[in-house]
Amino acid sequence: ELKVEQNPLFLSMQEGKNYTIYCNYSTTSDRLYWYRQDPGKSLESLFVLLSNGAVKQEGRLMASLDTKARLSTLHITAAVHDLSATYFCAPSSKETSGSRLTFGEGTQLTVNP
Amino acid sequence: KAGVTQTPRYLIKTRGQQVTLSCSPISGHRSVSWYQQTPGQGLQFLFEYFSETQRNKGNFPGRFSGRQFSNSRSEMNVSTLELGDSALYLCASSLNGVGNTEAFFGQGTRLTVV
Repeated sequence: ELKVEQNPLFLSMQEGKNYTIYCNYSTTSDRLYWYRQDPGKSLESLFVLLSNGAVKQEGRLMASLDTKARLSTLHITAAVHDLSATYFCAPSSKETSGSRLTFGEGTQLTVNP
Repeated sequence: KAGVTQTPRYLIKTRGQQVTLSCSPISGHRSVSWYQQTPGQGLQFLFEYFSETQRNKGNFPGRFSGRQFSNSRSEMNVSTLELGDSALYLCASSLNGVGNTEAFFGQGTRLTVV
C-alpha cells in the first residue's frame, strides 16, 4: 500500500525567504502531482512530474522528482503572502491501473509580511 | 472550456438518510475519481470510474457507492449516513486516468450530517 509523508506539516515563513517542502512515498510511482488548496476551496493543480529527475518551475515554485529516492520536493523562492495555502503532494501508484492518487497530509504554509 | 462541475455545493442531511452527489467532468474526459476530505483523515480515495466501469476502489464501506453514465457524468451515493460522513467530497476528472493525464478537481460538495 502506498504511503505518503510530507514535511513539514506546518510552515510559517517570512516574505522573501526560501524554503523546501518534502514529500516521501513508500512504493514505486510512475507520476506525482503537487496541488494547492486555499481554505474552503478545491484543489488546484500545480505540477505533474512524470519521470526521474523531472523538474518543473512556475513563478516562485519549483518541483522536482527523484524516483529512486522516492522523494519529491517543492521549493519556494522569495516567498510572498499570496503563496499562503496548503500544499499536497500525490503520487499515483504503479500497482493500480487508472487514476488513484494517494495524498500526503498537506503542508500548511503561512507567509508573513 | 468548462471545468469540473459538482452539485450540489452544500448539503445538510440527517443521520440515517441517504445522499446522492453529482459530478460532470470536463468535456472529453472519461475518468472520474471521487475523494473524501476530512480534517482528521485528510484526502482519501473513494473510487474511480472509467467508461461506466469502476476501475479502482478505496477502503470505504459498502454504504459508499457510485456509478458513471454514458456521457461520463458520475454520481456517488452514501446510504445510512453517519456523523463521520461529514466531509468535503471532491471529484476529479481526467482524460483517461493513465500516463501523463492530469487530474482536475471540481469545487466539491460539502456534506454535513446532523
